[in-house]
Amino acid sequence: DIQMTQSPSTLSASVGDRVTITCRASDSISTWLAWYQQKPGKAPKLLIQKASSLESRVPSRFSGSGSGTEFTLTISSLQPDDFATYYCQQYNSYWMFGQGTKVEIK
Amino acid sequence: DVHLVESGGNLIQPGGSLRLSCAASGFPFSNYAMSWVRQAPGKGLEWVSTISDSGFSTFHADSVKGRFTISRHNSKNTLYLQMSSLSAEDTAVYYCAKGMTALSYFDYWGQGTLVTVSS
Repeated sequence: DIQMTQSPSTLSASVGDRVTITCRASDSISTWLAWYQQKPGKAPKLLIQKASSLESRVPSRFSGSGSGTEFTLTISSLQPDDFATYYCQQYNSYWMFGQGTKVEIK
Repeated sequence: DVHLVESGGNLIQPGGSLRLSCAASGFPFSNYAMSWVRQAPGKGLEWVSTISDSGFSTFHADSVKGRFTISRHNSKNTLYLQMSSLSAEDTAVYYCAKGMTALSYFDYWGQGTLVTVSS
């Protein structure tokens, strides 16, 4: 099974900060990686698929990059609505989520 | 608009069985793979099961293999998860999610249904 490791687990940041979350796969997954945002009590929301393809209606301050085993999600200028937990997910071999990164207010 | 509405969650005793349903609308249900993902209280997301558009192919996580069965009724636009031999470790919010293909990310999610396994 391919394992996904996100870092950090928690990130404290301020509005306007540039934020980067890393996701590492235990084996190569090409670019078969998605990023989701989840707010408390809500379902996850797809932000990015195929490592860097931004979903429609997702603000352009979100971007994704990487291939193989190392990936990043970047928020260029953190907004109040962005405080949430973010998950990466590989779909190269079955499905596996990272453990999540909580972005909290500094 | 895509709409996924889960139902069937409940308080159930250890060892018991439960069937979850997910009613889909707003898209041609029979053309897309569907999945179940769960989230234990305060924990992360865990993929549970996936079924192909036709229902011919199914996949289950090792943690539920042999106990859970995913199925679908395309003419009713409904996805199911039959769960048996439930334990406290199965306590979670269960989400149904739409995929693009059998091996795909999940582009739409329901609001979830809570399953609590406790005596």
